[in-house]
Amino acid sequence: NAGVTQTPKFRILKIGQSMTLQCTQDMNHNYMYWYRQDPGMGLKLIYYSVGAGITDKGEVPNGYNVSRSTTEDFPLRLELAAPSQTSVYFCASNIHGELNEKLFFGSGTQLSVL
Amino acid sequence: KQEVTQIPAALSVPEGENLVLNCSFTDSAIYNLQWFRQDPGKGLTSLLLIQSSQREQTSGRLNASLDKSSGRSTLYIAASQPGDSATYLCAALSSNSGGSNYKLTFGKGTLLTVNP
Repeated sequence: NAGVTQTPKFRILKIGQSMTLQCTQDMNHNYMYWYRQDPGMGLKLIYYSVGAGITDKGEVPNGYNVSRSTTEDFPLRLELAAPSQTSVYFCASNIHGELNEKLFFGSGTQLSVL
Repeated sequence: KQEVTQIPAALSVPEGENLVLNCSFTDSAIYNLQWFRQDPGKGLTSLLLIQSSQREQTSGRLNASLDKSSGRSTLYIAASQPGDSATYLCAALSSNSGGSNYKLTFGKGTLLTVNP
């Protein structure tokens, strides 16, 4: 059971380039989330999804887009990379998003925009 | 707006010592409080989740307590080991205004080093 898998693990982008961070989970979880973690800061929610075809903005959505065409996959798209998007990105999921369920995280994507 | 604070930011202890990590939150209307462990270059692993109706949860050498009225949670680690070295984060689940959405607010974490 792989859990939550993120690719790539590391990436360097030039300003203005675009890329997609991939996230897939094999636990049949309905709820999926994208967080970013900046040095010395707590995690901030970018986008989340409550099921296939449904996405919603989190706390810091500007500069990002998401889609959820299947239960398993929740890619995060950066269209015009900016230095402010240098961060570590984590994908997470839980079964139904119910109030007392633990959250499962991927191992992260470290992104640098130069 | 919920704010979660963890003190201290870093802690170094000798092996075998019992220790307490602190987490405080400003809005006591939470649904649960979750403690995570993060190893360098890794994702977060959920350690313990305390529901709002509970006072504590235990898993092995870990014990987490919750006092909603005072806005505090503690993570107690007994007989610490070098393998416990990691960053520990707490996160409080509360509702957005109107109660239509839930928000998980994370602290910045406590970096724990257990020295052999």
